[in-house]
Order: sequence, then structure tokens, then C-alpha cells
Amino acid sequence: NAGVTQTPKFQVLKTGQSMTLQCAQDMNHNSMYWYRQDPGMGLRLIYYSASEGTTDKGEVPNGYNVSRLNKREFSLRLESAAPSQTSVYFCASERLAPHTGELFFGEGSRLTVL
Amino acid sequence: GENVEQHPSTLSVQEGDSAVIKCTYSDSASNYFPWYKQELGKRPQLIIDIRSNVGEKKDQRIAVTLNKTAKHFSLHITETQPEDSAVYFCAASRVTGGFKTIFGAGTRLFVKA
Repeated sequence: NAGVTQTPKFQVLKTGQSMTLQCAQDMNHNSMYWYRQDPGMGLRLIYYSASEGTTDKGEVPNGYNVSRLNKREFSLRLESAAPSQTSVYFCASERLAPHTGELFFGEGSRLTVL
Repeated sequence: GENVEQHPSTLSVQEGDSAVIKCTYSDSASNYFPWYKQELGKRPQLIIDIRSNVGEKKDQRIAVTLNKTAKHFSLHITETQPEDSAVYFCAASRVTGGFKTIFGAGTRLFVKA
């Protein structure tokens, strides 16, 4: 099992450009998440998806859109990138019962917006 | 929504000493409190968790305590070792799957040899 796979690992964008971060998990988990990590601010939730076909806003959703393409895949899109979106992005999926709650993270995607 | 506060932001201890990190949460409906460790350049990984029907849980050198009344939970690391140096995050959520997990801002722990 690969676990949670994110692509790309690194990306540099210019202000105003768009891009999509891809995430896939092979653990048959229902719930998936996108977080961003900035120095001193921990992991902040952008969007999450409790199950295939549903998505909900997290703490910092502005400037982002998501798609839960199927049970395995959850993508994050930046339509018009801004320097404030420079961050490390982590995708995660949530373990099912009976040990519900544990998040499994991808390796992260480092995004720089110039 | 849920808000998780974590203190201290930085903690430096001597090898062999104990380290304590404290968190508070705001949503009384939260019932699952995990702790994640993130080494430099790596992804966060779960090290221990506690559910609201338990007051304390221990796993070798690490332990967590939960005070539901005060909405406090803490991580205790005893006999610290240099490899314990990392960033530690507390988090809170309402679990039966699909509820958003909210993290604290993290504590950077330095263990000096």
C-alpha cells in the first residue's frame, strides 16, 4: 500500500496562475482533508470531505476549491494564486472504525507563489 | 467552530528530563484528542490519542491526560531523548468519522544532549 500520495511535491507559480494539487489514498478511507502548514500557525484545515460526493469548508477556505472525484481522490485547486498561498499543503485521509479518527498524511506539497 | 490553543510554542529540555505540552479546546462536543509528531521535513504522524471516555493513557515514555470539565489535555514525555526533538501538534475532533480535525499551532521541542 502506498498510503496517501500527493502530487506535485514542489511547485512555483506566478501570481494569478492556477494549479491543482492531486491527492489519492489506497486505504479505502471515507474521509479526506486538505491542510496548509505555515510557520508558527500549525496545520490549518482548508476543506474536507466526509465521504464521496460531499465537501465542506474548513478554517481557511478562501481562494481554494476542491473536488472529491471518487472515494480515492481529493483534489485542491487554486484558481488565481496569491503570494499569501505560499505554504506547504498536506492531504490526509481518516482511518475507519473501530479506530476512527487517526489521520494519515501525504508527504506534502511545497508551493511558492511569486 | 472548534478552536485549539497549544502551549508552549517552544520547549527546550535537557536529555533525560520530562516535557509537558498543554492544550485547551473550545467545543464541548469534541471527543477525540490525538497528538501528532512531525520531524523536520516529514509528514505528521500520530503518536498517541485519547478519547473522551478515558482520563489518561500511557504508551511507554509518553502519556496523555484529559480533563473534560476544564477542556484541557496534555502530553507528557518522560526520560526525553534527542530523537524526541520535533514539532508536536495536539488536535481535537468529534469522531465518528468525517468530522473535521482541528489542530493547535504546534510546540517545537528541543532535547539537548
